[in-house]
Amino acid sequence: GNSVTQMEGPVTLSEEAFLTINCTYTATGYPSLFWYVQYPGEGLQLLLKATKADDKGSNKGFEATYRKETTSFHLEKGSVQVSDSAVYFCALGRNDYKLSFGAGTTVTVRA
Amino acid sequence: GAVVSQHPSRVICKSGTSAKIECRSLDFQATTMFWYRQFPKQSLMLMATSNEGSKATYEQGVEKDKFLINHASLTLSTLTVTSAHPEDSSFYICSALHGQRGDEQFFGPGTRLTVL
Repeated sequence: GNSVTQMEGPVTLSEEAFLTINCTYTATGYPSLFWYVQYPGEGLQLLLKATKADDKGSNKGFEATYRKETTSFHLEKGSVQVSDSAVYFCALGRNDYKLSFGAGTTVTVRA
Repeated sequence: GAVVSQHPSRVICKSGTSAKIECRSLDFQATTMFWYRQFPKQSLMLMATSNEGSKATYEQGVEKDKFLINHASLTLSTLTVTSAHPEDSSFYICSALHGQRGDEQFFGPGTRLTVL
């Protein structure tokens, strides 16, 4: 079946530090891959996505590349801000729009 | 645009009673909505797919008679937890599929259910 494994948190960083959150997946076929972000008190929001191998999704300074050979979709940001403090979820999507989520990684950025 | 709301944000009920949660797409129509359950420090687990005008489809292991889903209109889906027990206490999240935004899912803020 489909599953997603992401780096356990919590992760605490200083402002302007480099952020990486690892995500690997197991799937049949060729799923789409997503990163969602959940800010305190809000619902999940799509951060970025990639629909096929070697695609790079990017948004708000975050990037992730769909690596079929390593079945990975690691999230990176070169210089984080306090406003990036949130819970980040890696997810895998099937053709029927159903999503399988990782456990979520809590990121706290300190000024 | 593309806002999904859930009501209530918190609900407390006694064991053996029912609790109803509403999910609304405020500014778009959604023929398909999804219901998830999230345990502390764990991922969202898909419970069921809610389809407007037809029966919901449930994921394996989810009791359809316990978790009643009604997708009464293109902007509203309800989840009713029947005969609730303390082990049903959880965070319930819905999402709505936006057909005019590349079928992107938009999520509600979640509802915390506590069964005493």
